[in-house]
Parts: sequence; structure tokens; C-alpha cells
Amino acid sequence: QQQVKQSPQSLIVQKGGISIINCAYENTAFDYFPWYQQFPGKGPALLIAIRPDVSEKKEGRFTISFNKSAKQFSLHIMDSQPGDSATYFCAASISRDNYGQNFVFGPGTRLSVLP
Amino acid sequence: GAVVSQHPSRVICKSGTSVKIECRSLDFQATTMFWYRQFPKKSLMLMATSNEGSKATYEQGVEKDKFLINHASLTLSTLTVTSAHPEDSSFYICSARGRGELFFGEGSRLTVL
Repeated sequence: QQQVKQSPQSLIVQKGGISIINCAYENTAFDYFPWYQQFPGKGPALLIAIRPDVSEKKEGRFTISFNKSAKQFSLHIMDSQPGDSATYFCAASISRDNYGQNFVFGPGTRLSVLP
Repeated sequence: GAVVSQHPSRVICKSGTSVKIECRSLDFQATTMFWYRQFPKKSLMLMATSNEGSKATYEQGVEKDKFLINHASLTLSTLTVTSAHPEDSSFYICSARGRGELFFGEGSRLTVL
């Protein structure tokens, strides 16, 4: 119920291509879905997030697509660049719970963008 | 800029010694902070939830006496790895929830010789 599944485990994309990472969840109480980007030796950094009242959110080259009925959401990186090479984690949480252990993370996707 | 500061970023210690890692929220008060452990090429493993003014809540399998957590103020939580051994070598990351978001520290690489 608390698990967030993420795929693929690793992804190799050519420069300029589109990177797509998918996540799925079970708990319908989740209402906040962030994506984090982590470079080696660094902590994760919030990249983009979406709430279920919209089906898509775009910030620059990064887009989240959200399918509430399927309980799935995905990250699209357009015009992928070598600097995007990192590990990406999706997460899900219950926003009304300000104190609980309610951020559940996917296992991560290692993205490599080839020059 | 960073909203959660973690220190030190790297620490090397001898087996049997204790190491303290600090996590500070810089521009918001955090009644709750989280501590994670991350193994190479793996996801974040939640170790414990640090609650200001009360005892931390540990995840199953995490030794309370090994990983001491203190959350003495609304902006500071500390993780002390006591009597460290080589198997405690890992990347430790803290996070704090503020303004509805979850912010992470830069992480601390612990190497126990």
C-alpha cells in the first residue's frame, strides 16, 4: 500500500532525446508527487512536483504527467543533456500530514545522457 | 541556495569512535526532520524520524543505541553514530519538511577505518 514503483532502473539516452521515467503507487490518499534529482555524492534536490488536481505540469524541459485513475505519474525530460545525467527518484506523500513519515520514495532511475 | 545544511560532508574515523552529523534548516522551522542512509546505487532508506523536543521514531531494524538522534531545537537535528564500525560506512542524508516541501541536506559520507 505504501510502495512506490519506479521504472526503468537505468536509462541511457542520446543528447537531445527524450528521457521518460515512470512511477506507480497504490495508496489513493497520496496527493503530492515530487521528483528529486540526485548527483553522485550529493543529497537529492527537488526537481518538480505535481498535485492530482492537474494532469500535467511543465517547468522548462521537465514535465510531469499524472494519471489519477491509473495511479501513475511520469517524468519527461525533453532535449536531454549530459548535465541531466543523475539518479531520479519519484516520491508520493500525503500533504495534510505535516509531521508523519509520509514521503515514500521509488527505488530510483539512473539516467545517462550520452554526448 | 540550500535550505537544509548538513555537516560534515565527509568524515573518516577509526573503528570504535563516535561521529556526530548535524542537520540544520536554514530558513524555516522544522519540527520534524528525517534521517536516511543510502548505499551505493541504491535508494534512500529511512532510518528515523526526528521530532523536536521528543524521542526519535526509528524504523524497524535500525539500532536506537547505535544511531542516536537529538532534535534539540526547531532548526537542528543531530545523528551520532556511536562506536562506529566499518559496516557503518555509508552516505547519510537528512531532510526537513518546510513550506509543504521536503528539502534534503547535501549528505555526509562516513568512512570507518
